[in-house]
Amino acid sequence: QKEVEQNSGPLSVPEGAIASLNCTYSDRGSQSFFWYRQYSGKSPELIMSIYSNGDKEDGRFTAQLNKASQYVSLLIRDSQPSDSATYLCAVNSDYKLSFGAGTTVTVRA
Amino acid sequence: SAVISQKPSRDICQRGTSLTIQCQVDSQVTMMFWYRQQPGQSLTLIATANQGSEATYESGFVIDKFPISRPNLTFSTLTVSNMSPEDSSIYLCSVAGWLAGTDTQYFGPGTRLTVL
Repeated sequence: QKEVEQNSGPLSVPEGAIASLNCTYSDRGSQSFFWYRQYSGKSPELIMSIYSNGDKEDGRFTAQLNKASQYVSLLIRDSQPSDSATYLCAVNSDYKLSFGAGTTVTVRA
Repeated sequence: SAVISQKPSRDICQRGTSLTIQCQVDSQVTMMFWYRQQPGQSLTLIATANQGSEATYESGFVIDKFPISRPNLTFSTLTVSNMSPEDSSIYLCSVAGWLAGTDTQYFGPGTRLTVL
């Protein structure tokens, strides 16, 4: 599987702040990119997909993709305690997902 | 969206035995995948389950240890054979291909396996 690296956590942010998560990938031919949220003891839940360079917004979440830099990020605005989870970056190459190690986010009330 | 179920949800097994995990989807899907998530780790792809043909295994995983069946477009099984404590993990199936985005994968609830 291809390499996917995420910024090491854990990341602690106060409620209402912006949480910024970063991910780089090694396979320049990758075409699709995903962010999953995983609560402790649960399976990964898809929160964002992005295919083109630039920003994609969905509610409080914004994904950013820069294929030239092989970089994808996720911003969580107005962070809530319910956002406390591990966020997994996944990169699709040939219909196979490679996952980063995950970044654990804790939102402090 | 499709509903994905896995059985069993958890099990505790003895060393040397085998366990078969089932993954059921409520609609036909093109692609099904099996992942392993070891304690405190991220997800690692075991194999892609192809309907009507042999599964495609990733490096480090072999058919003798993880035989997979895919008899139709809604069902797959993964067997963990001759288990050792190192096989203690969460095993997850995922599906893709029933929506326009055929490369988007959705995960089942997982099977938590403990091997003593």
